Amino acid sequence: KQEVTQIPAALSVPEGENLVLNCSFTDSAIYNLQWFRQDPGKGLTSLLLIQSSQREQTSGRLNASLDKSSGRSTLYIAASQPGDSATYLCAVSLYNQGGKLIFGQGTELSVKP
Amino acid sequence: NAGVMQNPRHLVRRRGQEARLRCSPMKGHSHVYWYRQLPEEGLKFMVYLQKENIIDESGMPKERFSAEFPKEGPSILRIQQVVRGDSAAYFCASSPGRSGMGTGELFFGEGSRLTVL
Repeated sequence: KQEVTQIPAALSVPEGENLVLNCSFTDSAIYNLQWFRQDPGKGLTSLLLIQSSQREQTSGRLNASLDKSSGRSTLYIAASQPGDSATYLCAVSLYNQGGKLIFGQGTELSVKP
Repeated sequence: NAGVMQNPRHLVRRRGQEARLRCSPMKGHSHVYWYRQLPEEGLKFMVYLQKENIIDESGMPKERFSAEFPKEGPSILRIQQVVRGDSAAYFCASSPGRSGMGTGELFFGEGSRLTVL
């Protein structure tokens, strides 16, 4: 059974710091891995999608890496800003499982001005 | 381009009433997924539908919950005889669809927050 774990559960950093969020999964037979952002009381915003054949994706100050063999992904946020404060979720999808994403519990990030 | 549209955004029901949540996928998307986020818990898959077909309902509770995606109109998640434990945020997502393996990127709506009194 696929399980997704995110550490830390919460993180507080001063503005301007570079930071790394971690995601691990137990079954390496994934189709893709997606990082989302969720603001309080809001929906999910897709940040980055990494296909199983890829090792990383970049968008602006965000960089996500994927190491299937070790069952890990990291989301790197450069030069953090207070507007980055949110809960970050990673989710994996499995082959032949359609849109059945398996989510981690999320990392709640707070960036202090 | 409108994103995934869900309504109502907030719904309050008393125990025993019915709740109907609607989801219109993004334009051009033919695959719809429902997820539930219980308080203090992560997002859990409920059901995956294509037009007029339920593809995977392995995450749906066996009783009181049903979902449909008719040929015309939005997808509907229906909860009959609601109980307090149904209080949660219900999210809909859509994708262009890909037959066979896995999925492409999912796009989520803002969610419908159900409160059962």
